[in-house]
Amino acid sequence: DIQMTQSPSTLSASVGDRVTITCRASQSISSWLAWYQQKPGKAPKLLIYKASSLESGVPSRFSGSGSGTEFTLTISSLQPDDFATYHCQQYNTYSSFGQGTKLEIK
Amino acid sequence: QLQLQESGPGLVKPSETLSLTCTVSGGSISTASYYWGWIRQPPGKGLEWIGTIYYSGSTYFNPSLKSRVTISADTSKNQFSLKLSSVTAADTAMYYCARAPGGPYLIGHFGYWGQGTLVTVSS
Repeated sequence: DIQMTQSPSTLSASVGDRVTITCRASQSISSWLAWYQQKPGKAPKLLIYKASSLESGVPSRFSGSGSGTEFTLTISSLQPDDFATYHCQQYNTYSSFGQGTKLEIK
Repeated sequence: QLQLQESGPGLVKPSETLSLTCTVSGGSISTASYYWGWIRQPPGKGLEWIGTIYYSGSTYFNPSLKSRVTISADTSKNQFSLKLSSVTAADTAMYYCARAPGGPYLIGHFGYWGQGTLVTVSS
């Protein structure tokens, strides 16, 4: 099984900050990685797929990078609507998710 | 606009079988271009992929759940279903159905999700 580890588990930031969340895979997953945003009581929302492809309708302040075992999600300038939990998902070998990163208001 | 809606009992007794259905509207589950999956999330925890079914009927399961999971599809009703047997309290979770685009992978990324349904395992 491929284990996905996100860091940090919690991140405190302010509106306007640039933030980066990291996701590491226990073995290479090529570029088969997605990022999701989830708000309380809601289903996850796809932000990024294939490591760096922006899903239609997602603001351009979100970007993804990486390949192999290390990946990052960057939000270039935090907006109030961005405070949520972020999940990474690998789909190279079956599928598995990271444990989530909660982005809080500082 | 594609919509997915989960339905099923919200309470299941330990050792029994959890059964959920995902009804799809605004698109056909028979379309060759998509995969249909189940994902769950225990309260306060992360997401766990359960399994996926293709338009062809092929299925793929999380190895940790494979022995207890069945996923099937009813194309006449545009629905796909999940059965999880021998449930315990550890199976208490929000259960989501979702759609992934087909591609050079088995599972894919999930672009459309249902709203989720909470299933509690308790006597």
